Amino acid sequence: ILNVEQSPQSLHVQEGDSTNFTCSFPSSNFYALHWYRWETAKSPEALFVMTLNGDEKKKGRISATLNTKEGYSYLYIKGSQPEDSATYLCAFLYGQNFVFGPGTRLSVLP
Amino acid sequence: KAGVTQTPRYLIKTRGQQVTLSCSPISGHRSVSWYQQTPGQGLQFLFEYFSETQRNKGNFPGRFSGRQFSNSRSEMNVSTLELGDSALYLCASSSGGGTRSVEAFFGQGTRLTVV
Repeated sequence: ILNVEQSPQSLHVQEGDSTNFTCSFPSSNFYALHWYRWETAKSPEALFVMTLNGDEKKKGRISATLNTKEGYSYLYIKGSQPEDSATYLCAFLYGQNFVFGPGTRLSVLP
Repeated sequence: KAGVTQTPRYLIKTRGQQVTLSCSPISGHRSVSWYQQTPGQGLQFLFEYFSETQRNKGNFPGRFSGRQFSNSRSEMNVSTLELGDSALYLCASSSGGGTRSVEAFFGQGTRLTVV
């Protein structure tokens, strides 16, 4: 069974704090890793698509890194805002199928 | 550009019945994937259709089936519903023949409750 793990499971931070979470995946047969943000009552929204070892992607205050050799990706949020409150999912592309992690639920307190 | 549309948004069915869910992808997208999310579980992959052909299938029983039409719209059918089928069903569309570098766009889901 393919395991994609995310930690922590949940996180509470104060507005303005920076934070990061981890996605761990099998290091063999890597194709791609996707990060999504899923706000309550909305659709999951793609943040990053990462395909190469060493990839670093950035979108505003959010960035992500990828290490395919050791099987992990970090998502960083700088200066968290209440609107960043959501569940952050990573999805490992295994063959043609996505295997999703359980997500990290972030709550940013004003 | 219209997003991915799923209908209906909410559905209540009785055990033993069957149900059909619909997904209209973003115009021009040829790939549609279906996922199930149950409480406490991450998104579980059901199947993917590309150009009217099922390209990939997850580990779900044969009661779960789907199809894709020539306009890329897709339907998912669950027969002989069980209580455990109560879940949020999401579909996602993408343009790609390969999904490595192409992001997927999700609909808002259909919340199915089986009583």
